Amino acid sequence: QVQLVQSGAEVEKPGASVKVSCRASGYTFKNYGINWVRQAPGQGLQWMGLISTYNGNTVYAQSLQGRVTMTTDTSTNTAYMELRSLRSDDTAVYYCAREDCYSTSCYAFDVWGQGTMVTVSS
Amino acid sequence: QSALTQPPSASGSPGQSVTISCTGTSSDVGGYNYVSWYQQHPGRAPKLMIYDVAYRPSGVPDRFSGSKSGNTASLTVSGLQAEDEADYYCSSYAGSNNVIFGGGTKLTVL
Repeated sequence: QVQLVQSGAEVEKPGASVKVSCRASGYTFKNYGINWVRQAPGQGLQWMGLISTYNGNTVYAQSLQGRVTMTTDTSTNTAYMELRSLRSDDTAVYYCAREDCYSTSCYAFDVWGQGTMVTVSS
Repeated sequence: QSALTQPPSASGSPGQSVTISCTGTSSDVGGYNYVSWYQQHPGRAPKLMIYDVAYRPSGVPDRFSGSKSGNTASLTVSGLQAEDEADYYCSSYAGSNNVIFGGGTKLTVL
């Protein structure tokens, strides 16, 4: 079945970096973009950016520009999100989510990963 | 870009209807027909319920409907059921391939 499976929980110190992976299965990876969304504890959803799995083009949320990098490895159908210079307010669950421009909408996310908890603490 | 504005809470009794609003600006909600709604149960990933203002993905009950007027979008849940109790988030395209979310609404089924 169509699914996105993310890497496990991470604990990092302030100033460090974290890289979260998102492995896709059950569909043609290069036909659907991947977005990243995070959710701080008890808070709402925050869109972080998207990557085209077709050509690697990226768009990042302005608030994260310069600290975030999204990449893909089409040989393993995996997307990655790296966040640098971590701060305590980066503590959140990080989700990858697929956008399906064919069946639903380019700006709606129809398949989500299970989430990866990233804790930033000294 | 500021988050879209949603009421923090909403409630209704089983069988009733409830409507959740999502207010933005002419640069997001009002400017595009790309409003989506997501349902999130505690500890779970969000689930797409409505896309492009009023369309339901396959498998979503027709008790869920969406609409938009000006800068405000709405999600209506009819015939409330216990399993509808969850957090609901709206999102909108905001130009330049950016997406913005609302702050979320906790729906309680009384």
